[in-house]
Amino acid sequence: NAGVTQTPKFQVLKTGQSMTLQCAQDMNHEYMSWYRQDPGMGLRLIHYSVGAGITDQGEVPNGYNVSRSTTEDFPLRLLSAAPSQTSVYFCASSYGRVASNTEAFFGQGTRLTVV
Amino acid sequence: AQRVTQPEKLLSVFKGAPVELKCNYSYSGSPELFWYVQYSRQRLQLLLRHISRESIKGFTADLNKGETSFHLKKPFAQEEDSAMYYCALTTGANNLFFGTGTRLTVIP
Repeated sequence: NAGVTQTPKFQVLKTGQSMTLQCAQDMNHEYMSWYRQDPGMGLRLIHYSVGAGITDQGEVPNGYNVSRSTTEDFPLRLLSAAPSQTSVYFCASSYGRVASNTEAFFGQGTRLTVV
Repeated sequence: AQRVTQPEKLLSVFKGAPVELKCNYSYSGSPELFWYVQYSRQRLQLLLRHISRESIKGFTADLNKGETSFHLKKPFAQEEDSAMYYCALTTGANNLFFGTGTRLTVIP
């Protein structure tokens, strides 16, 4: 049981390039989310999905796109990378909405540097 | 707006000493609070949640609505407790609001 798998683990992009961060989970969770963590800050929600075909914006969605065509996968697309998007990105999934009786499971993170 | 504050970036204690990691929050509704932990080279994982009032790995946390706090405590720290600890709050809208984290180091 792999849990939540993110690829790649590390990535360096040039300003203006686009790329997709991959996230897959094998727990049949309906809810999936993307967070970013910047130095000295807590994790902040970028986008989330409550099921296949349904996505919504989080706290810091600008510059990112998501789609959810299957229950298992929730890719995060950077449309035109900017140095401000240098961060560590975490994907998370949960059986239901994050609440007192629901645990969020996290991937190992993707460290992205935009130069 | 929701906010989670962890005032200590770094905390060092000796093995066997008590440890308290502070967490304060601001939220106008009824919060649901968690502690997540990240051990070295491992992924972020849930440590405990306030609703269950459980003790995990010897850690407990009590929600104090009057002081808007959810401090994490352990009476006797162990070396394996060294990790990064994050306090988090959810309003039930599928968003976890995280604090900036406290790196705990337990000195042998």
